[in-house]
Amino acid sequence: DAMVIQNPRYQVTQFGKPVTLSCSQTLNHNVMYWYQQKSSQAPKLLFHYYDKDFNNEADTPDNFQSRRPNTSFCFLDIRSPGLGDAAMYLCATSLSAGANVLTFGAGSRLTVL
Amino acid sequence: AQSVTQLDSQVPVFEEAPVELRCNYSSSVSVYLFWYVQYPNQGLQLLLKYLSGSTLVKGINGFEAEFNKSQTSFHLRKPSVHISDTAEYFCASVNTGFQKLVFGTGTRLLVSP
Repeated sequence: DAMVIQNPRYQVTQFGKPVTLSCSQTLNHNVMYWYQQKSSQAPKLLFHYYDKDFNNEADTPDNFQSRRPNTSFCFLDIRSPGLGDAAMYLCATSLSAGANVLTFGAGSRLTVL
Repeated sequence: AQSVTQLDSQVPVFEEAPVELRCNYSSSVSVYLFWYVQYPNQGLQLLLKYLSGSTLVKGINGFEAEFNKSQTSFHLRKPSVHISDTAEYFCASVNTGFQKLVFGTGTRLLVSP
């Protein structure tokens, strides 16, 4: 089945130790998104790629970076995780923007010790 | 500015009872509206969407929602809930002219026997 796969599902890191989360999709969608979801809160958009065009949200900290080497893969890099970065990170894709439905992966839960 | 309000953070209900989860939106332009469901430690799954046409929208798992432009609402309903409907429900909107999906803060539906 075509889907969005996130790895790892659970990631534990130490304060300040860089971490990379990956997302792959078999849907051939043009747009890929990264959301941060803290406990009992709504998902918050960090950034998205429309093809190779990177779109950063104004309030996304510089500590968060992303790469999209090809259509199928997108990575979230957290350069120096702090305790406040502990959250579920959700990857999503859509064929295009606007009315197109987002397809979400199962998420990567990050714990920072 | 575009926003989505879910007034109820938690809705407890008994199995086989009807339920309504409330959602109000605000926008100066036309919007598309969505309801997503999130089960524990999972990503978000689309329940239903309103793009245009009939104001009563039917989705998966027996859910439906009604778009009410005069009241700027998009409430989610189910006539008879199951234990398995226990989850977090997010209402979301996107302006027809923009790419960004905005989520409400979520409503936790708790179904008990």
